[in-house]
Amino acid sequence: DGGITQSPKYLFRKEGQNVTLSCEQNLNHDAMYWYRQDPGQGLRLIYYSQIVNDFQKGDIAEGYSVSREKKESFPLTVTSAQKNPTAFYLCASSLTGQGGEQYFGPGTRLTVT
Amino acid sequence: EDQVTQSPEALRLQEGESSSLNCSYTVSGLRGLFWYRQDPGKGPEFLFTLYSAGEEKEKERLKATLTKKESFLHITAPKPEDSATYLCAVLQRGYSGGGADGLTFGKGTHLIIQP
Repeated sequence: DGGITQSPKYLFRKEGQNVTLSCEQNLNHDAMYWYRQDPGQGLRLIYYSQIVNDFQKGDIAEGYSVSREKKESFPLTVTSAQKNPTAFYLCASSLTGQGGEQYFGPGTRLTVT
Repeated sequence: EDQVTQSPEALRLQEGESSSLNCSYTVSGLRGLFWYRQDPGKGPEFLFTLYSAGEEKEKERLKATLTKKESFLHITAPKPEDSATYLCAVLQRGYSGGGADGLTFGKGTHLIIQP
């Protein structure tokens, strides 16, 4: 079955530690995205990538980093510079970076204490 | 100022009681409007894409419509399994991220269907 996988489902870290969230897709989509979801707020775009080896900042990129070395993978690193890292993180992909629907993974809930 | 506003924030209906959810947007150069369903603790599930005013899409008990300023998600004779948060998102021209397809989301409508 084609789809988007994110791992782990739950992640706990101590303040000051970097942590990497995994996102893999086998839909053969060119574009991939990372969003953050907080209670009472809409999803907000962190980073996106339209093709391999290229990515751009979204609205709230500070404290995050990404890489896109393979078409199937778009890992997100939450660094210690992110002031409020506790959130639900969602990865998405779309066929191209030129419009069209985005399909989401199941999400990773990160808790930093 | 929010570019995408969904109302109501929460809605409780009896099973079989039809209603509509609203998504109003203020973006210019709309490239698409998307509806998603999200269950607690899960990723959003794609429902519909609407591209131009007057367009309508249907799926089972759901029907989405679009005007120049808003979209409605009509739910006909809902069942308890329709309970979820419904998200609206827009894709606009000239997105600040440099032309990418990052969606701008509303905060969602939390729908509860009571048996």
